[in-house]
Amino acid sequence: AQTVTQSQPEMSVQEAETVTLSCTYDTSESDYYLFWYKQPPSRQMILVIRQEAYKQQNATENRFSVNFQKAAKSFSLKISDSQLGDAAMYFCAYRTQYNNNDMRFGAGTRLTVKP
Amino acid sequence: KAGVTQTPRYLIKTRGQQVTLSCSPISGHRSVSWYQQTPGQGLQFLFEYFSETQRNKGNFPGRFSGRQFSNSRSEMNVSTLELGDSALYLCASSLTRTSGDYEQYFGPGTRLTVT
Repeated sequence: AQTVTQSQPEMSVQEAETVTLSCTYDTSESDYYLFWYKQPPSRQMILVIRQEAYKQQNATENRFSVNFQKAAKSFSLKISDSQLGDAAMYFCAYRTQYNNNDMRFGAGTRLTVKP
Repeated sequence: KAGVTQTPRYLIKTRGQQVTLSCSPISGHRSVSWYQQTPGQGLQFLFEYFSETQRNKGNFPGRFSGRQFSNSRSEMNVSTLELGDSALYLCASSLTRTSGDYEQYFGPGTRLTVT
C-alpha cells in the first residue's frame, strides 16, 4: 500500500523568506500523481500544486514550486517570498495512476509565518 | 462556478444515534469522495462515488455508508455513533476518475461531535 510521510510536524518562516516542506512516499507504481494541499485555519482544503510522475520537469505555480525526485521518492514543496496568508497546514498527497480517487495523505506540516 | 458545499457545517450527536451528512459537488463533477480527518489518524479515505455507484471504499466499518444521487450530490451516513467518530468529514469532488481530470476540490467539511 502506498504511504506518504511528512517528517516535519511544524515549520516556521519569516515573512518574505523561503521555506521548504518535505514529503516522502512509498509506492511500487511507476506512474502516479502527487499533490500539495493547503488547509488554512478556516479548514477548506485548497490544491496548491500537482505533479505527474511521468514528467521530469518540476511543477511551479507562482511562488510555489516542487522538487520531485522520483528515484528517491521525494516530493518537497518550496514556498518563496512567504506571505502571512501562507500560514496553514500543508498536506502532501499521493494518487494512483489507476481510475481511483482514493488519495493518500501525509500527516501534514503546520507552517507559521512570522511578520 | 460554486465550490463544493457541505451541510450541515457543525453537528452534535449522542452515542448510538445515526447521522447523515450531505455534499453537493461542483457543477459538472461526477465523482465524490469522502474523507475523515482526526488529529490522531489524519486524513483517511472513506469511499468514492461515481455515477451513483460506490467505486472504492476505505478501511472503515460497515456503520459508514454512503450514496450518490443522479445529480451527483452525495450523502454519507454513520449509524450507531461512537465517540471515536468525532471528526471533520470532508467531501471532495472531481470531474472524472480518469487520468485526465482527476484533481479533487474539497468542501469546507462537517464537524461532527459525538458525546
